[in-house]
Amino acid sequence: DAGVTQSPTHLIKTRGQQVTLRCSPKSGHDTVSWYQQALGQGPQFIFQYYEEEERQRGNFPDRFSGHQFPNYSSELNVNALLLGDSALYLCATGVGEGTGELFFGEGSRLTVL
Amino acid sequence: AQSVSQHNHHVILSEAASLELGCNYSYGGTVNLFWYVQYPGQHLQLLLKYFSGDPLVKGIKGFEAEFIKSKFSFNLRKPSVQWSDTAEYFCAVKGYGGSQGNLIFGKGTKLSVKP
Repeated sequence: DAGVTQSPTHLIKTRGQQVTLRCSPKSGHDTVSWYQQALGQGPQFIFQYYEEEERQRGNFPDRFSGHQFPNYSSELNVNALLLGDSALYLCATGVGEGTGELFFGEGSRLTVL
Repeated sequence: AQSVSQHNHHVILSEAASLELGCNYSYGGTVNLFWYVQYPGQHLQLLLKYFSGDPLVKGIKGFEAEFIKSKFSFNLRKPSVQWSDTAEYFCAVKGYGGSQGNLIFGKGTKLSVKP
């Protein structure tokens, strides 16, 4: 049973560029959440997708957007990259609403130069 | 706004020592509380959770946590640590009625266990 898979694992971009990160949920999961983890910090909630809609959003600007596909996989897009966007981006998946039990992927490490 | 505070940034223990990691949260309503662990080179995984009922919660690998509502605390404990417990530990809270995917995490406590 595959867990949560994320791609790419590492990438380097320059300021102003755009990036797309991808996540495939654990089998049986239908909810996808994205988190940003800066160095030395805990994960910070970006947004959550369920039934192909953004259900809740954290304190992140509109440069951060996402999408969920009918097969429950998801993408995180970040436009106009800033140096401060350098971080580990984590995808977490679960089932439906309510329990908060999330399964995390290993993350995509983004470096913005 | 909700927040989670973890008291220790880095804890170093010898094997067989007892462990207690502090966690306090700020939220006045009913909460769901979690401890996640990240072993070196691995992804975050759930260690234990509290939803309701008995405030003493037992998790995997001999860990337990106690929810003390009056102190807004959810401290993690283990009577005797092993070298394999070396990892980073994150406390998290989900506000009642909030989105299932929206957890507020603390900054984490790195635990190093000396053999």
